[in-house]
Amino acid sequence: GIQVEQSPPDLILQEGANSTLRCNFSDSVNNLQWFHQNPWGQLINLFYIPSGTKQNGRLSATTVATERYSLLYISSSQTTDSGVYFCAVERVGGQNFVFGPGTRLSVLP
Amino acid sequence: DGGITQSPKYLFRKEGQNVTLSCEQNLNHDAMYWYRQDPGQGLRLIYYSQIVNDFQKGDIAEGYSVSREKKESFPLTVTSAQKNPTAFYLCASSIGTSLDEQFFGPGTRLTVL
Repeated sequence: GIQVEQSPPDLILQEGANSTLRCNFSDSVNNLQWFHQNPWGQLINLFYIPSGTKQNGRLSATTVATERYSLLYISSSQTTDSGVYFCAVERVGGQNFVFGPGTRLSVLP
Repeated sequence: DGGITQSPKYLFRKEGQNVTLSCEQNLNHDAMYWYRQDPGQGLRLIYYSQIVNDFQKGDIAEGYSVSREKKESFPLTVTSAQKNPTAFYLCASSIGTSLDEQFFGPGTRLTVL
């Protein structure tokens, strides 16, 4: 099956810093999502981005499907950005998502 | 409000007992999914259903069962055959076609004593 890797596994930032999270996948995909899991376990949709670039406030994401990776940018980080960030992909011809292991982000005040 | 609800939020059960987790959605989505998350890990797919009265095994279906009698509901039963059932269980739904977003419920934390 398709392999999904995320880096870094852990990231500690000072409030106000910028960061880039990466998601690599081993096969062609027709669907990719980024999620933020808050401390209560709720998964919050950030981006649905099988290709191209999107922005939403301080967050933006870019997927380069031909090179099999996606990037999530967080600018001017806030303590409320803390949590685990997951990417999930659906390979071409697949019927379900496969999740990466996540990046745990801690933003310190 | 449209959304996905899961109940209960916390569930405690004795070893050897079957337990059923509820998942309901009022988004009119065709597809529904169950995932398991262990501490510090990503999500793994247990079962999914793309249409009423049909469902497919995911990567870790052993010890679990599901039903899909109504479009809105996709309950998950954790049976006594599941060797290590303590985990966080998340339900999701999507419109159902390919190229579609998944939306998640708040989850159920199951602890087997």
